[in-house]
Amino acid sequence: DTGVSQNPRHKITKRGQNVTFRCDPISEHNRLYWYRQTLGQGPEFLTYFQNEAQLEKSRLLSDRFSAERPKGSFSTLEIQRTEQGDSAMYLCASTERLSTDTQYFGPGTRLTVL
Amino acid sequence: AQTVTQSQPEMSVQEAETVTLSCTYDTSESDYYLFWYKQPPSRQMILVIRQEAYKQQNATENRFSVNFQKAAKSFSLKISDSQLGDAAMYFCAYRRISSGSARQLTFGSGTQLTVLP
Repeated sequence: DTGVSQNPRHKITKRGQNVTFRCDPISEHNRLYWYRQTLGQGPEFLTYFQNEAQLEKSRLLSDRFSAERPKGSFSTLEIQRTEQGDSAMYLCASTERLSTDTQYFGPGTRLTVL
Repeated sequence: AQTVTQSQPEMSVQEAETVTLSCTYDTSESDYYLFWYKQPPSRQMILVIRQEAYKQQNATENRFSVNFQKAAKSFSLKISDSQLGDAAMYFCAYRRISSGSARQLTFGSGTQLTVLP
């Protein structure tokens, strides 16, 4: 297994456009997390999936953000009508079923909104 | 709400020397996990070490060890025999252990470690 993968690695868009990111977790990891990281800060939690169910969303996840995880495999994070404040690194992490629940992170998608 | 504080934005260490990174946290929970993650310039977050709060013994992983002081809510990371490859941003993180929660990580703001040759 090659770990958590994310695509694209970089995305530059104009304000007002929609963007979609994809995360492929480690196979058989049933829990998936999205975080947002701005420059010089630690990641902040956005949302959490257990299998295909989205069980928790942060207040950071405004109505312009939507996340899905069809069939409990890969996940997508869409941002509609992007704003300059959305510029950040978007990180995905997955965990295995075991109680230790260590989160393994992907390389992230760097979003720049012009 | 849980908070994690890293009061050292930057640290430097000479190669082969030892350095300690500080972390404090605030929680009302009695059981939880604490983590140190490393984020090299390529920016993929890598787990360095994990500590279960119910364990009194400090965790150790090769050159990395922690000093966990539960009463003081302190969780420092010691890196021995520092290597150039240790240069990275280090994040301290907290996670609840209670069932039914998302168990997301709460991160500190990070410490940028520079290793001098």
